[in-house]
Amino acid sequence: NAGVTQTPKFQVLKTGQSMTLQCAQDMNHNSMYWYRQDPGMGLRLIYYSASEGTTDKGEVPNGYNVSRLNKREFSLRLESAAPSQTSVYFCASSPDRFSNQPQHFGDGTRLSIL
Amino acid sequence: QKEVEQNSGPLSVPEGAIASLNCTYSDRGSQSFFWYRQYSGKSPELIMSIYSNGDQEDGRFTAQLNKASQYVSLLIRDSQPSDSATYLCAVRNTGGFKTIFGAGTRLFVKA
Repeated sequence: NAGVTQTPKFQVLKTGQSMTLQCAQDMNHNSMYWYRQDPGMGLRLIYYSASEGTTDKGEVPNGYNVSRLNKREFSLRLESAAPSQTSVYFCASSPDRFSNQPQHFGDGTRLSIL
Repeated sequence: QKEVEQNSGPLSVPEGAIASLNCTYSDRGSQSFFWYRQYSGKSPELIMSIYSNGDQEDGRFTAQLNKASQYVSLLIRDSQPSDSATYLCAVRNTGGFKTIFGAGTRLFVKA
């Protein structure tokens, strides 16, 4: 059982480059989330998708865009990477946004912006 | 005031002891509470969920919830070196569409 799969696992970018982080889940979940985790800051929500076809901003959306491609896939795009976006990015999913069930996380993408 | 607060630690306990991790939250209407374990360089892994006042036990882990005091805790009995990790408290807010994570408490279990 794969659960939540993120690609790539590691990436190094130069300032100004763009890239897309991919996330896919096979648990038939409706809701998906993108977080970033920085030392001492905990997990901060970037964007979420309550259901297929909808996306909403989270706590720290600036500099990012997202696409909910279908029920399984939710991608995060950095249009012009900045050093402040160096972080570990986690994708998560849950059955739906009103469920009391917890979120399940992918293995993360470690992103460095030089 | 942060929405979910945890002592960052590190909390150090000897092997075999009880580790007690605490978390407070600000949204009085919160209904769902979770504890995640995160090993260094790994992703958060769910270890406990609790939804009503009282204790919820699963093996060596016990989650305790007190909604009146807006307090949730995690007890780890017979702590093992393999329990050394960062423990994240997560609280789903009123309305249920947003989960707030604490910054985590680092636990070290000394052999």
